[in-house]
Amino acid sequence: EPEVTQTPSHQVTQMGQEVILRCVPISNHLYFYWYRQILGQKVEFLVSFYNNEISEKSEIFDDQFSVERPDGSNFTLKIRSTKLEDSAMYFCASGLDRVAFGAGSRLTVL
Amino acid sequence: GESVGLHLPTLSVQEGDNSIINCAYSNSASDYFIWYKQESGKGPQFIIDIRSNMDKRQGQRVTVLLNKTVKHLSLQIAATQPGDSAVYFCAENISKGGADGLTFGKGTHLIIQP
Repeated sequence: EPEVTQTPSHQVTQMGQEVILRCVPISNHLYFYWYRQILGQKVEFLVSFYNNEISEKSEIFDDQFSVERPDGSNFTLKIRSTKLEDSAMYFCASGLDRVAFGAGSRLTVL
Repeated sequence: GESVGLHLPTLSVQEGDNSIINCAYSNSASDYFIWYKQESGKGPQFIIDIRSNMDKRQGQRVTVLLNKTVKHLSLQIAATQPGDSAVYFCAENISKGGADGLTFGKGTHLIIQP
């Protein structure tokens, strides 16, 4: 069964550093998303992406965040200058209905 | 306040019994609802979905019920198995014809007792 894959599975970074999280969505999907989940809390929507542009974004997705589809298979989330509170699991997802989620990238900001 | 929430944080059932996980939502404009299962260290896994023009939908061992009058959603799992132990999230959105973000509830931790 096709799945969303994410790398890295875990990244540790220093506060203020830039981080790029990578995702390969399911190949025939056109809609892509990033969500985050702070430890022990609910999953929160960050941004959706369609046709090479942002479709919708939440209040969390501020100027420190950006997304990109650099080629036909990858979808990335960049955090420009990480803060302690950015520590969370970041989930990439794809699809329109029955949205499929990746296993997540755990980001730890020290 | 939250658009979607759950009544109980933890539900413990005996293996083989049926379980019911509940979810309340407050946005009457929501028209699409999904249940996800999340096992420890993994991403949310799609279980079943339902649109607002339906009040019941069945899958394999799972049934989702939607009561729009009281804005309530439930997930019934029949004959629970150890592998059903996980956190279950309901999620909803308002279909606007594009890539709409899902609003998740807080999650119910389902524990299957042997």
